[in-house]
Amino acid sequence: DAMVIQNPRYQVTQFGKPVTLSCSQTLNHNVMYWYQQKSSQAPKLLFHYYDKDFNNEADTPDNFQSRRPNTSFCFLDIRSPGLGDAAMYLCATSRVATGGRNEQYFGPGTRLTVT
Amino acid sequence: AQKVTQAQTEISVVEKEDVTLDCVYETRDTTYYLFWYKQPPSGELVFLIRRNSFDEQNEISGRYSWNFQKSTSSFNFTITASQVVDSAVYFCALSDLYSGAGSYQLTFGKGTKLSVIP
Repeated sequence: DAMVIQNPRYQVTQFGKPVTLSCSQTLNHNVMYWYQQKSSQAPKLLFHYYDKDFNNEADTPDNFQSRRPNTSFCFLDIRSPGLGDAAMYLCATSRVATGGRNEQYFGPGTRLTVT
Repeated sequence: AQKVTQAQTEISVVEKEDVTLDCVYETRDTTYYLFWYKQPPSGELVFLIRRNSFDEQNEISGRYSWNFQKSTSSFNFTITASQVVDSAVYFCALSDLYSGAGSYQLTFGKGTKLSVIP
C-alpha cells in the first residue's frame, strides 16, 4: 500500500562524495517535492517538479540537483556533500488542484549522514 | 509574507489526558488552506487534516478535533484521551493561492513535540 517510497531509508556518504537519493510514487500525482529537514526543525523546501517543469527555491544551494525521468520517479543529487548537509530528506507528492487545497503526501524520508 | 507560529515547543501529558496544540498563522491572502501533519519517530509526515479559509466549522475525527477561528487566525488541534501512540511532532502548515507552476508551497510552523507518558 506504500504510496510514496524513498530509498534508501538511511544513507551514509563521505564528505565530498556524490550521493543520490530516490523517490517513487504510486499516486500518479503531478507534483513532486524534495524537502530537507534538520533536527528539531520544520521541513525546508528545496525544489519541486510540476510534471517536467523544475522549480528551484531561491535559497537552495547549487550543490543540490534533481531529476524526474518520469511521473513516478524523482531523484535528489547532492554533488559534493558537506557536513552541514546531514539531514532527513523528505519526498512529497501532490495532485494539482486550484486554490492550494492539495495536501502533500510524504514518504518516510532518507536520513543522510556525512562522515 | 506568510507565517505559522506554534508557540509550544514541547508538551508532556500523562496518558488519557486531553491536550491542545496551538497554531497561529499570518497571511494576506483571503483564500488559503491550513493543514496539520503528524511526524512520529519513524520520520514520515502523516497528513491529518486540511481546512480552507471559508469553512470555519470545527471538525472531529475520533479522538482528534480541530478548532478554526478566523477572527484570531488560529487553527488549534485537540487530542482527547491521549495515548502513547500519539507521541510525535505535530506540524501546522499554511498554503496560499497558486504560486506558479501548479504547486503550492506549504509554510510550516516549527512543530510541537508531544510526549504522552504511560
